[in-house]
Amino acid sequence: NAGVTQTPKFQVLKTGQSMTLQCAQDMNHEYMSWYRQDPGMGLRLIHYSVGAGITDQGEVPNGYNVSRSTTEDFPLRLLSAAPSQTSVYFCASIKRGALSTDTQYFGPGTRLTVL
Amino acid sequence: GQQLNQSPQSMFIQEGEDVSMNCTSSSIFNTWLWYKQDPGEGPVLLIALYKAGELTSNGRLTAQFGITRKDSFLNISASIPSDVGIYFCAGLNYGGSQGNLIFGKGTKLSVKP
Repeated sequence: NAGVTQTPKFQVLKTGQSMTLQCAQDMNHEYMSWYRQDPGMGLRLIHYSVGAGITDQGEVPNGYNVSRSTTEDFPLRLLSAAPSQTSVYFCASIKRGALSTDTQYFGPGTRLTVL
Repeated sequence: GQQLNQSPQSMFIQEGEDVSMNCTSSSIFNTWLWYKQDPGEGPVLLIALYKAGELTSNGRLTAQFGITRKDSFLNISASIPSDVGIYFCAGLNYGGSQGNLIFGKGTKLSVKP
């Protein structure tokens, strides 16, 4: 298994540009989530999904859209990038059931800078 | 929204020392998790706790789920240089989706050889 993969690893955008951060997992996990990590802030939930076709908002959803058309993929879209969206973005996947060290994984992150 | 208060924010210790960090919340959680994040990497789950009072170990790491369900601590015994990183607690509350974890702000651990 490749685990959770994220692309790109680094991205620089200009204010107002749009882009999609990709996340994929090959473990057939039901739950997938997007977090952003800012210095001193820990990880904050943006959006999450409990299965294909089902998404919900997290703590900081404004400025981001998601969709979950397949179990494997959970892309995060920035429709009009703003400097406040400069951050490191992590995707996570979780297998339904009791959380354990072999049922929950984070991707390596996407480092986004918005100028 | 819900918050987890994690302390200390940072620690500088000598190799071989024991480390203790904790998380508290005003809300009840039904699952507590402890993660470690190395520079440039995503967090990795170290320990998961499911029941109030539960004490769980993973090698030199020991974590406990507080009796009140509002706190948890993580101990690292006999620290080594590779323990360096940021440690996060996270909680999952009753009725919450497993996709919706709430994280503390992290404890940055530095170990001097």
